[in-house]
Amino acid sequence: DAGVTQSPTHLIKTRGQQVTLRCSPKSGHDTVSWYQQALGQGPQFIFQYYEEEERQRGNFPDRFSGHQFPNYSSELNVNALLLGDSALYLCASSLVSREGGGAFFGQGTRLTVV
Amino acid sequence: QKEVEQDPGPLSVPEGAIVSLNCTYSNSAFQYFMWYRQYSRKGPELLMYTYSSGNKEDGRFTAQVDKSSKYISLFIRDSQPSDSATYLCAMSDRAPSGGSYIPTFGRGTSLIVHP
Repeated sequence: DAGVTQSPTHLIKTRGQQVTLRCSPKSGHDTVSWYQQALGQGPQFIFQYYEEEERQRGNFPDRFSGHQFPNYSSELNVNALLLGDSALYLCASSLVSREGGGAFFGQGTRLTVV
Repeated sequence: QKEVEQDPGPLSVPEGAIVSLNCTYSNSAFQYFMWYRQYSRKGPELLMYTYSSGNKEDGRFTAQVDKSSKYISLFIRDSQPSDSATYLCAMSDRAPSGGSYIPTFGRGTSLIVHP
C-alpha cells in the first residue's frame, strides 16, 4: 500500500518565479491538505481539498493556490515566489468520513527560493 | 500566546531512559490529540492518536491527555538512539461540514538519545 507521495523532493527557484508541487494521497483517502514547515517550526496549514474543492484555508495569501483532481491527487501552486517561501512543503491525506484519526504525511518537497 | 506551546529542546538523554515530552494548549475545543515523529528532512509520521482525555499505550509509547489542565504528554520507555528525532504534538477540533479536521501543531521537541 503506497503512502502519500510527493514530487519533486527538492526544488530551487528564483524570486518572482512560479512553482507547482504535486501530491498523491494514500490509497483510499479522499482529502488532501497542504502545509508549510519552516526550519525549526511546526507545519502551518495552507489549505485543504475535498471533492475537488478548496474546503478550508489557513492564513496564506492568494499567491498560494491549489487543485484536486478526480483521482484525489493534488497540486500546490505558488506564484511570485518570495525568499520567505523557502520551506518544506508537506502534503497530508485523510478520510473525511473518519473523525480525527490522524493525517498521513508525505516526505515533503523542500523548496529553496534564491 | 500560541494555541499550542511546545518546548523546542533539545532534550538529550542516555539510552534506556524514560523520556517525557509535553505540550500545553489554550483552545478548550480541541478534542483530538496526536503525536508525530519527524526525522531530519522527512515528513512527520503519526505515532499516537487519542480522543479526549485519558491514556493510550502502544509498545514503548504512552500518550496522556489531561483536558482539565490543557496538557498532553508522550512517554517513551527504554529509549533507543533510533528514537532521536523531532516530536510534534498536534490537536484539533471536530471537522467542519464538508471537510476533514485540521490539526494545529506545536513547533516540535528535538530529542537526542545517546548510546
